[in-house]
Amino acid sequence: EIVLTQSPGTLSLSPGERATLSCRASQSLWNNYLAWYQQKPGQAPRLLIHAAYKRATGIPDRFSGSGSGTDFTLTISRLEPEDFAVYYCQQYGGSPPNTFGQGTKLEVK
Amino acid sequence: VQLVGSGGGFVQPGGSLRLSCAASGFTFNNYAMNWVRQAPGKGLERVSVISGSGDSTDYADSVKGRFTISRDNSKNTLFLQMNGLRAEDTALYYCAKSDCSVTGCHVLDYWGQGTLVTVSS
Repeated sequence: EIVLTQSPGTLSLSPGERATLSCRASQSLWNNYLAWYQQKPGQAPRLLIHAAYKRATGIPDRFSGSGSGTDFTLTISRLEPEDFAVYYCQQYGGSPPNTFGQGTKLEVK
Repeated sequence: VQLVGSGGGFVQPGGSLRLSCAASGFTFNNYAMNWVRQAPGKGLERVSVISGSGDSTDYADSVKGRFTISRDNSKNTLFLQMNGLRAEDTALYYCAKSDCSVTGCHVLDYWGQGTLVTVSS
């Protein structure tokens, strides 16, 4: 089973700063099938990025995804107050598909 | 798109519950549907998926043989029958829409608000 390791566990930044979140897979993902989700307290997750870099409908362009193979990154170019949340990566290019990372908490510094 | 889950509650170990998810705002039978759970303070686990037609399903090993996913496309409703519940099944259960029709569609583009299942004696 593919294991996704997200780092850091917690990221403390200020609004306006740039956030870089990492997701590393234990095996290479076919077609770079990796997604990112955002979850705010008390809310359901929301899809941000799929296929490593494709923004979901309605997602602001300050969110971008990159990477390939086993190493993937979610970048938030300039943090807005509403961006502080937990972020999960999900792989669907391995066997078995559809496993999630343990999450990165993005908190206000 | 709106997904409204219901049916959660408190149940003793070994008991059963049936979750429902009412869908609207999209052509229900064109999309696979999923149940994803989140234990308190923990991460996400996809429990089960069903194809848009309902003829194909898949389950996490942790629930195989105990949970059954189904759908009623005439009523735009997704179900999860949970039998033999264990304490480790305690979680918030989300229904989530896949971005295409087959069970191999793993991108979850819309999620419901979740329904809480608590298994305890």
